[in-house]
Amino acid sequence: QSALTQPASVSGSPGQSITISCTRTSSDVGNYHYVSWYQQHPGKAPKLMIYDVSNRPSGVSNRFSGSKSGNTASLTISGLQAEDEADYYCSSYTSTTPRVFGTGTKVTVL
Amino acid sequence: EVQLVESGGGLVQPGRSLRLSCAASGFTFDDYAMHWVRQVPGKGPEWVSGISWNSGYIGYADSVQGRFTISRDNAKSSLYLQMNSLRAEDTAFYYCAKDISSSPGGDFDYWGQGTLVTVSS
Repeated sequence: QSALTQPASVSGSPGQSITISCTRTSSDVGNYHYVSWYQQHPGKAPKLMIYDVSNRPSGVSNRFSGSKSGNTASLTISGLQAEDEADYYCSSYTSTTPRVFGTGTKVTVL
Repeated sequence: EVQLVESGGGLVQPGRSLRLSCAASGFTFDDYAMHWVRQVPGKGPEWVSGISWNSGYIGYADSVQGRFTISRDNAKSSLYLQMNSLRAEDTAFYYCAKDISSSPGGDFDYWGQGTLVTVSS
């Protein structure tokens, strides 16, 4: 059972904003400042979209933003586009391993 | 352009061994920590192992501790994963991933295309 819980699916229409949550369910996830988000299209490797809660790597669209409140981190996609349809995983540092991944969220663009 | 190219996957019987390799290019390999991450199709990724830039830190997931060994050759810009005593539950795509820093903090900014390991009799 993952220490990070995400909704199984989130959907939105083109141009809308959606938010994906990632809730810490285990005390093993001690320092929740190190939350990152990955996008994965079918048959492709994951792509880093956000690190350290809210930082975007070079080349990632500013339509993607991250935040955190208490035990829940969030990824917001603004101006939803067809190319944003993918699986999204949050990830966090734990006391025993550098990273644990969330349960994953399938984003559908209607 | 950063490139990570894995090789060495394939079909192997339970209990046997396999060695994965990852050839890196397009960045200064010995400036960064490196990792192996695996993923069963349809499931989320699972961190397997990580190694710091100078091999001073090495870590493993509990599920592979004692069976897998990570190593790197900075002169060859290559990362390796020796997998022994393989089990059916080790079946997955294995990705080589570059850390964003020299110590394995666990943010992976570049990934390879993955190599499939299938453990079955």
